[in-house]
Amino acid sequence: AQSVTQLDSQVPVFEEAPVELRCNYSSSVSVYLFWYVQYPNQGLQLLLKYLSGSTLVKGINGFEAEFNKSQTSFHLRKPSVHISDTAEYFCAVTNFQGGSEKLVFGKGTKLTVNP
Amino acid sequence: DTAVSQTPKYLVTQMGNDKSIKCEQNLGHDTMYWYKQDSKKFLKIMFSYNNKELIINETVPNRFSPKSPDKAHLNLHINSLELGDSAVYFCASTPQGRGHGNTIYFGEGSWLTVV
Repeated sequence: AQSVTQLDSQVPVFEEAPVELRCNYSSSVSVYLFWYVQYPNQGLQLLLKYLSGSTLVKGINGFEAEFNKSQTSFHLRKPSVHISDTAEYFCAVTNFQGGSEKLVFGKGTKLTVNP
Repeated sequence: DTAVSQTPKYLVTQMGNDKSIKCEQNLGHDTMYWYKQDSKKFLKIMFSYNNKELIINETVPNRFSPKSPDKAHLNLHINSLELGDSAVYFCASTPQGRGHGNTIYFGEGSWLTVV
């Protein structure tokens, strides 16, 4: 089964600084990769996803991620963060089971943006 | 209109009680899920239904019983609640489960606290 590892449990940054949240995946076969964001006391919202094609994926709220097959990575980046980006970020990969697909999540990275 | 809606959002109950969480999606999706997020924010799939048929059951105690009266609804009933059941339960849905990397849409979550 495919899995993802988020290398940092917490990332504190100052407002307007760039940020990178790291994610590595386990599979050597084709993968579908996702980044979700969870704001405090809310549900999960899709930021972006990679299915195929261009390795640079642009998402909502100014985030982007780069699929790197040789390094089995899918790191999330934003050039300048805002206080409102403070949230938990989850990397996820699709696994297929019984004809259905399910998301397998990393353990999350808590991004804290300080003034 | 909320795409995936869950009720109740907050639930505090005593050990040993039986409770249900309801979920409805108005997206016309075929596949619905229940995910559990524990106190460390770790997200794990519990069940997946495709067109009212159980597809994935991830070694969840049989005190947890999902029920899908139609493909737009997936309810979660929990018997004999235990302290360890305290978590956030997310309902989710996706268009179909045939391995196309479709986005999975999440509800706002149901915060269950067992005392």
